[in-house]
Amino acid sequence: AQRVTQPEKLLSVFKGAPVELKCNYSYSGSPELFWYVQYSRQRLQLLLRHISRESIKGFTADLNKGETSFHLKKPFAQEEDSAMYYCALGGGGTSYGKLTFGQGTILTVHP
Amino acid sequence: DVKVTQSSRYLVKRTGEKVFLECVQDMDHENMFWYRQDPGLGLRLIYFSYDVKMKEKGDIPEGYSVSREKKERFSLILESASTNQTSMYLCGSGGSYEQYFGPGTRLTVT
Repeated sequence: AQRVTQPEKLLSVFKGAPVELKCNYSYSGSPELFWYVQYSRQRLQLLLRHISRESIKGFTADLNKGETSFHLKKPFAQEEDSAMYYCALGGGGTSYGKLTFGQGTILTVHP
Repeated sequence: DVKVTQSSRYLVKRTGEKVFLECVQDMDHENMFWYRQDPGLGLRLIYFSYDVKMKEKGDIPEGYSVSREKKERFSLILESASTNQTSMYLCGSGGSYEQYFGPGTRLTVT
């Protein structure tokens, strides 16, 4: 069964500090992993996906198959990064693009 | 720009009422999804549909049904609303894993 675990419900950092949001997954096949973000009063949207290996808004995430992790990192947090972050896992085959989401982490960046 | 719209932002219903939540997407996506979003539980998949008239149960389908008569429209139905169905409901559509979401419907059942 697919499972995504985000161990921190809440994460607080100060502006300019590094931030890491943790995500661990359980999946027997070849995973596709994503980070979604929801800013206050906005709809949930894709932040980044592991296959593109992009840096979006200064965030990066590396898939570590050995540790089954996909942690989201940013070297210098900004106040506008405050949001709810969800890690999501997609399976292959006939899953029709179905995603399994983690419990979410609320990031607060203090001035 | 993908647009996913939901019929209501806020809805208050009484226990036992039949409730319809509508979702429309304009990007010709084959896949559409309904989730519940609850604090501490994340997004949980209720139902999804991969084609017109095709549907599959997600992780928490009990108490819900869905309808997809047209490709762009996916409806979530609460046959007899209960207080434990008070939640934020998100509709999503997408192709290969990248999903686009509606603004959500906050449903309160009293």
